[in-house]
Amino acid sequence: GNSVTQMEGPVTLSEEAFLTINCTYTATGYPSLFWYVQYPGEGLQLLLKATKADDKGSNKGFEATYRKETTSFHLEKGSVQVSDSAVYFCALSDRGGGNKLTFGTGTQLKVEL
Amino acid sequence: DVKVTQSSRYLVKRTGEKVFLECVQDMDHENMFWYRQDPGLGLRLIYFSYDVKMKEKGDIPEGYSVSREKKERFSLILESASTNQTSMYLCASSSSGGSYEQYFGPGTRLTVT
Repeated sequence: GNSVTQMEGPVTLSEEAFLTINCTYTATGYPSLFWYVQYPGEGLQLLLKATKADDKGSNKGFEATYRKETTSFHLEKGSVQVSDSAVYFCALSDRGGGNKLTFGTGTQLKVEL
Repeated sequence: DVKVTQSSRYLVKRTGEKVFLECVQDMDHENMFWYRQDPGLGLRLIYFSYDVKMKEKGDIPEGYSVSREKKERFSLILESASTNQTSMYLCASSSSGGSYEQYFGPGTRLTVT
């Protein structure tokens, strides 16, 4: 079946540091890939997505590239801010399974001054 | 703006009570989902629905049921609440076309005492 593996957190960074959160996946077929963000006390928000190999999703300074050869979709940001502190979830779509998403377990990011 | 709303942000119920969690979306989406979120376990799918009056079990349906009488509304029912159902409950919806990204509500934090 499908699965998503994310790096364990929490990840603690200083403001303006470079961020990478690793995500690898296992899937049959050609899934779409997503990063969601969850701020404290809120639901998940779609951060970015990529629908085919070599696509780059980007939003709010975050980027991720769909790498089919390494089955990865790592999230990056060049300079994090305190306001980026949240939990980040990697996910993939299962087109053969009724539009369900398979989520990773989430990575908590803490950004300090 | 897309909108998914949930009936309560916080709810406290007693063991054995019947609990209804309501979710409404205004995007005319075909698919709706109920998840629970627990620390260290990520998001787990309880039930989902492709269409009005249709429902499918997710990964952890035991102790829950759902109802979808109208396209915009998807209800999660705890027939007899138990303390191990204390959790954050998230509703989401998605379109059947496109890349299947899901849009989430703000969540309901349910405590069963």
